[in-house]
Amino acid sequence: GDSVTQMEGPVTLSEEAFLTINCTYTATGYPSLFWYVQYPGEGLQLLLKATKADDKGSNKGFEATYRKETTSFHLEKGSVQVSDSAVYFCALRGGGSNYKLTFGKGTLLTVNP
Amino acid sequence: DGGITQSPKYLFRKEGQNVTLSCEQNLNHDAMYWYRQDPGQGLRLIYYSQIVNDFQKGDIAEGYSVSREKKESFPLTVTSAQKNPTAFYLCASSIGEQGRGYTFGSGTRLTVV
Repeated sequence: GDSVTQMEGPVTLSEEAFLTINCTYTATGYPSLFWYVQYPGEGLQLLLKATKADDKGSNKGFEATYRKETTSFHLEKGSVQVSDSAVYFCALRGGGSNYKLTFGKGTLLTVNP
Repeated sequence: DGGITQSPKYLFRKEGQNVTLSCEQNLNHDAMYWYRQDPGQGLRLIYYSQIVNDFQKGDIAEGYSVSREKKESFPLTVTSAQKNPTAFYLCASSIGEQGRGYTFGSGTRLTVV
């Protein structure tokens, strides 16, 4: 079945540091890939997505590229801010009429001033 | 604006009592989901529904029940059979279209004392 593996946290960075959160997946067919962000005490918000190989999703300075050859969708940001402190979830939606998303376990990011 | 509403934000119940969490969406989404999240943990799927009057068990359905009498509503009942009900509960919805992710509610924090 489908699965998502993302790097274990927590990740602690200083403000303006470079961020990478690794995400790899296993799926049949051509899945769509997503990154969600969860701020403390809130629900998940869609951060970015990519629906086919080599697509790059981007939002709020975050980027991720759909790499089919390495089955990866790593999240990156060039300069993190304290306000980026949150939990980040990688997810995939399989091909066909499957409604369900498969989530990774989440990575807690803390950015210190 | 369309969205998904969970109520209440915080809920306290005595042990042994059933409690129902509300989830309403006005996005005209076909599918709805309930997840449980424990501190520092990922998301675990409780139940999901792809159409009205039909729903399926997720990974941790024991001690929970749902109904889907209307497209807009998917309430979750936490029964007294649920051994450890204190958690953060998230509701989500989606449409059956490739490349589309979930829209999440803001969650209900249930504390059983």
